[in-house]
Amino acid sequence: AAGVIQSPRHLIKEKRETATLKCYPIPRHDTVYWYQQGPGQDPQFLISFYEKMQSDKGSIPDRFSAQQFSDYHSELNMSSLELGDSALYFCASSSREDPYEQYFGPGTRLTVT
Amino acid sequence: QQPVQSPQAVILREGEDAVINCSSSKALYSVHWYRQKHGEAPVFLMILLKGGEQKGHEKISASFNEKKQQSSLYLTASQLSYSGTYFCGTGGNTPLVFGKGTRLSVIA
Repeated sequence: AAGVIQSPRHLIKEKRETATLKCYPIPRHDTVYWYQQGPGQDPQFLISFYEKMQSDKGSIPDRFSAQQFSDYHSELNMSSLELGDSALYFCASSSREDPYEQYFGPGTRLTVT
Repeated sequence: QQPVQSPQAVILREGEDAVINCSSSKALYSVHWYRQKHGEAPVFLMILLKGGEQKGHEKISASFNEKKQQSSLYLTASQLSYSGTYFCGTGGNTPLVFGKGTRLSVIA
């Protein structure tokens, strides 16, 4: 079965640079969630989209922005990167027909040096 | 508010059983359980919904006490592959709020 796709899988950036992470949800899933997981931490919700509209906002820094496109893929844009942004970034998707089940992508490991 | 998980860590021998608990200070409409191996994505295990509906893994069971706002995950006859960090999440069809996780290690 098709799963959530994230790219890139690994990304190394320097402080103050920008990064763009991409998420392709499971086909026919219309909701996308972004989570950030620091080393040894639990995943923290950043932002979510339903039908291309922002639906919920969590602890997303102002330096980050995100959007969902007409094909339901989503991009997380991160600017003025800081060392503390180094983390695993997961995207999860769900469908309105079965909204309780969120399926996670493999994640993007971002390292800021 | 973040759910509270216990224990924080547990070590089992193959074949032993374990129980992981998750409790919340606010009303729960659903509880989600995920297992995560180091450096990998959380894998969906189980969801328990208010009213008793339960969906998930065949070999893992869970309970949901709505009144006590608690859920427990039961791992029976553990296998080496069960090792990982188990997270409970609350939130229903909204963004999940995860507990801090329970690290489970199964040894031969």
